[in-house]
Amino acid sequence: GAVVSQHPSRVICKSGTSVKIECRSLDFQATTMFWYRQFPKQSLMLMATSNEGSKATYEQGVEKDKFLINHASLTLSTLTVTSAHPEDSSFYICSARYSLQETQYFGPGTRLLVL
Amino acid sequence: GQQLNQSPQSMFIQEGEDVSMNCTSSSIFNTWLWYKQDPGEGPVLLIALYKAGELTSNGRLTAQFGITRKDSFLNISASIPSDVGIYFCAGRAGSGGGADGLTFGKGTHLIIQP
Repeated sequence: GAVVSQHPSRVICKSGTSVKIECRSLDFQATTMFWYRQFPKQSLMLMATSNEGSKATYEQGVEKDKFLINHASLTLSTLTVTSAHPEDSSFYICSARYSLQETQYFGPGTRLLVL
Repeated sequence: GQQLNQSPQSMFIQEGEDVSMNCTSSSIFNTWLWYKQDPGEGPVLLIALYKAGELTSNGRLTAQFGITRKDSFLNISASIPSDVGIYFCAGRAGSGGGADGLTFGKGTHLIIQP
């Protein structure tokens, strides 16, 4: 149990375009999903917390207008990188949490390369 | 913000050796988690700790939640080649029922020499 998927696994886009990444909890309902970013050889940094049916909470320094998060159902959250630039190239990882438990289960990540 | 100091940064060991790594924090955490991440993949949960003083095992892995709630360690006994990877500690400061994200350590890169 506790499987989280992400799509796509990798994406290459041109600078200025927008990219949408999906995160799905496959076998449980996740009232809360989290989005992290990981640059090469670095740790995971929390970008935002996404609660089903409400606005996402963004960490300090993360632009909410650039990284649009939608959590429309208990099994799906999406992250849209708008007007992507080369510095947005990174490994984006989502996680999902059972409603009453502490543990977060991570997706396999999405590698974004902006040319 | 909260920071986790994870050490060592990397370890070069022989197959069969035991491994120990730890994380410390300047502030209290209510949950400690240990993850393993292989290249190009998301972190996989190894052990979750929810109570101060808790000692939990998962096969050859053992982790403890420090009594001060500011530290945790992970031990791996009798290492094997598939243990290679990056190990992250992660802490959550919020109380039960909250939706706080995790704060991650910088990782320990485990390399096993044949």
